[in-house]
Amino acid sequence: GQQVMQIPQYQHVQEGEDFTTYCNSSTTLSNIQWYKQRPGGHPVFLIQLVKSGEVKKQKRLTFQFGEAKKNSSLHITATQTTDVGTYFCAGGDNYGQNFVFGPGTRLSVLP
Amino acid sequence: ETGVTQTPRHLVMGMTNKKSLKCEQHLGHNAMYWYKQSAKKPLELMFVYSLEERVENNSVPSRFSPECPNSSHLFLHLHTLQPEDSALYLCASSRAGLADLTGELFFGEGSRLTVL
Repeated sequence: GQQVMQIPQYQHVQEGEDFTTYCNSSTTLSNIQWYKQRPGGHPVFLIQLVKSGEVKKQKRLTFQFGEAKKNSSLHITATQTTDVGTYFCAGGDNYGQNFVFGPGTRLSVLP
Repeated sequence: ETGVTQTPRHLVMGMTNKKSLKCEQHLGHNAMYWYKQSAKKPLELMFVYSLEERVENNSVPSRFSPECPNSSHLFLHLHTLQPEDSALYLCASSRAGLADLTGELFFGEGSRLTVL
């Protein structure tokens, strides 16, 4: 079945440093979504990417969808303590039915 | 406030108890979901309802029984659970209907379940 992997599992950065998490799917995706879950909180939708090679930006966050639509990345520039949390990617297959979450990357930001 | 409300927020139950988790969405969405989040596994989809019809049941043990009486309400009935069922149970909703279940998910704050 469809599998979605993320690396790294954990990342500790100093405030102000950049951070990137990578998401890889075993199958071609119709779309990919990113969610953020703060400690003790629930996942909150960040963005959805649909097109091959698509790049979207939200302030300090840059999201990218691979040309083959099997991988994606989230890059945070100049991290802040408010960026702390777990970042999940989730991908849907081309049939629009299977939607699988990756295991997440937990980000810690040291002040 | 996400528009998706879950109760109770915390639940402790014995293995012989019967309890229910409740989810209500105020967003006018067509699809509702139950996810399980445990410490060592990714978010696991348990059930999906689209327009009150169950469209997915991911090999979930029968001790978990979902109910969707209308498009705004979703229940998860629990009976004779095991300690390994202890987890955060998240309800979510989305605009998507039967044709496409990959729309943006709006999650509730979750029900933290502990089975003794």
